[in-house]
Amino acid sequence: RKEVEQDPGPFNVPEGATVAFNCTYSNSASQSFFWYRQDCRKEPKLLMSVYSSGNEDGRFTAQLNRASQYISLLIRDSKLSDSATYLCVVHMEYGNKLVFGAGTILRVKS
Amino acid sequence: DGGITQSPKYLFRKEGQNVTLSCEQNLNHDAMYWYRQDPGQGLRLIYYSQIVNDFQKGDIAEGYSVSREKKESFPLTVTSAQKNPTAFYLCASGSGGDGYGYTFGSGTRLTVV
Repeated sequence: RKEVEQDPGPFNVPEGATVAFNCTYSNSASQSFFWYRQDCRKEPKLLMSVYSSGNEDGRFTAQLNRASQYISLLIRDSKLSDSATYLCVVHMEYGNKLVFGAGTILRVKS
Repeated sequence: DGGITQSPKYLFRKEGQNVTLSCEQNLNHDAMYWYRQDPGQGLRLIYYSQIVNDFQKGDIAEGYSVSREKKESFPLTVTSAQKNPTAFYLCASGSGGDGYGYTFGSGTRLTVV
């Protein structure tokens, strides 16, 4: 079983739509959680951290369920510029390293 | 501006050759990492270093080697023992012990010809 699993998509949505991505992780000892965004042939960039209480940054909302080992990202009012691959990332305290999911592809169309 | 620089952007390797990918950061980060990305797959950890003169193998270290002689530099050598080296290689650095503050370089795309 992969340490971090995501639905690869692609998710094809119209502009203005709301879309949600899910992610599960296998190591219950994982400490910190993130969503990264990666544009085609570019490096990943941190989108937002994920907290148990849930957190929001503009149109983006992230949720963490430690009991179910489940992370989500909700994007409201999708823009064309949101088209990218979204990577679910878990920080492993042992070794101080990040473990990446394979990513979910989002395509927003006009 | 502080950042992390990878070079070259594109690299072509002949069969049997060793090649070295450069990674330099001026962020004063202690930790540095090398990841490999293949199409349709997530990033996989090759090697990482928490401090100068120390490094550990990641999940796919076979066929690769690294050094960490300076805090700013963490070069990766892809040896001839790596049978399928064509991939996108990403270097990252980090400051915090909880995963925050990771910065990635813009990557090196290696192709075997």
